Amino acid sequence: GQQLNQSPQSMFIQEGEDVSMNCTSSSIFNTWLWYKQDPGEGPVLLIALYKAGELTSNGRLTAQFGITRKDSFLNISASIPSDVGIYFCAGTNFGNEKLTFGTGTRLTIIP
Amino acid sequence: DAGVIQSPRHEVTEMGQEVTLRCKPISGHDYLFWYRQTMMRGLELLIYFNNNVPIDDSGMPEDRFSAKMPNASFSTLKIQPSEPRDSAVYFCASSLASGGRYGYTFGSGTRLTVV
Repeated sequence: GQQLNQSPQSMFIQEGEDVSMNCTSSSIFNTWLWYKQDPGEGPVLLIALYKAGELTSNGRLTAQFGITRKDSFLNISASIPSDVGIYFCAGTNFGNEKLTFGTGTRLTIIP
Repeated sequence: DAGVIQSPRHEVTEMGQEVTLRCKPISGHDYLFWYRQTMMRGLELLIYFNNNVPIDDSGMPEDRFSAKMPNASFSTLKIQPSEPRDSAVYFCASSLASGGRYGYTFGSGTRLTVV
């Protein structure tokens, strides 16, 4: 099935650095979601976006719904060790129960 | 709320054996999804149910895979016979109606190893 392209695939950063990642689609979505998967666990919803151009924050995390509706962005400020994991974007449209997931961005923090 | 509960957390089995994975969704959720996660393919939707009825099983890889939801609080994913290429982490997720809009709640997954 279709998957959304996430960039970068992996990131190696130092604690305290800011992180930026993005997600692109060939199709338009009217809902974008961002999930985080901790090692050995299932994905957990972080942020939901419902309007083009919308900017939504959850603590140190900020996500944006791209103007074209074909992309979304996630930023993490002042990274800490517990930010380690895989970040997934997901998109869908009204009336569609199925989410299309991205390929994931793996975040590693170097001591 | 205990969340979505999956069992077992880990399963190691020999090729050719039958494997049954179990899931208890969040009470009141209308939709239940089974996903498979591998390094090569990422998260793949296998099948989903609405009010215990299978709606889309187009992601089920082959006839060796089957899923049931006999009631609103229980679902199983069965692989018979299992093969080494079935090794993966299998997730169950549930959602309210329009869950695609508000996201799913995932279980902790079952890590299956077929040797």
